[in-house]
Amino acid sequence: GENVEQHPSTLSVQEGDSAVIKCTYSDSASNYFPWYKQELGKRPQLIIDIRSNVGEKKDQRIAVTLNKTAKHFSLHITETQPEDSAVYFCAASKNSGGYQKVTFGIGTKLQVIP
Amino acid sequence: DVKVTQSSRYLVKRTGEKVFLECVQDMDHENMFWYRQDPGLGLRLIYFSYDVKMKEKGDIPEGYSVSREKKERFSLILESASTNQTSMYLCASRPGGGAVGYTFGSGTRLTVV
Repeated sequence: GENVEQHPSTLSVQEGDSAVIKCTYSDSASNYFPWYKQELGKRPQLIIDIRSNVGEKKDQRIAVTLNKTAKHFSLHITETQPEDSAVYFCAASKNSGGYQKVTFGIGTKLQVIP
Repeated sequence: DVKVTQSSRYLVKRTGEKVFLECVQDMDHENMFWYRQDPGLGLRLIYFSYDVKMKEKGDIPEGYSVSREKKERFSLILESASTNQTSMYLCASRPGGGAVGYTFGSGTRLTVV
């Protein structure tokens, strides 16, 4: 089955710096890659996603890049702010028997230091 | 504007009890999911349902069952709770038919003593 590896597991950055979280996946059939942000004590929320026919997607200070050949995708956060502190999960999704099967990474705890 | 509601935020149950975790969504989503979240293990899929009255096992279904009698409601049942089922349980839903993201509930922190 699909295997999604995410790193680093923890990341500390100074406010204003950039943060990058990387994920690799094993199944070349995966075609949808969402990212979720989970603040302490709150529900995970979808923040950005990318489909396999796109190499990069941007939404204000966050961007996601996808390299299908290397089977990796990354989340980039620029000009980090304290409210970016959270756990971020990547996921890879593919069609399987008529439904979309999702595999999550283990999560990255991002701390933005004021 | 809460769209996926889990009935309890915190629960404490005794070993051997039958436990019901309820999840309701108001977005008319076809697909619903139950995950458990544990430190260092990420999100693991327990069961999912792609339509009313249908259910499929996820990656860790042992010790759990589910019920989906109505489109908006997906229940997770622990037939006989054990201490190793102490965890955060997250319900999620999404529209059917394609690659789209989940909407998660706020979670139920279950402690089995």
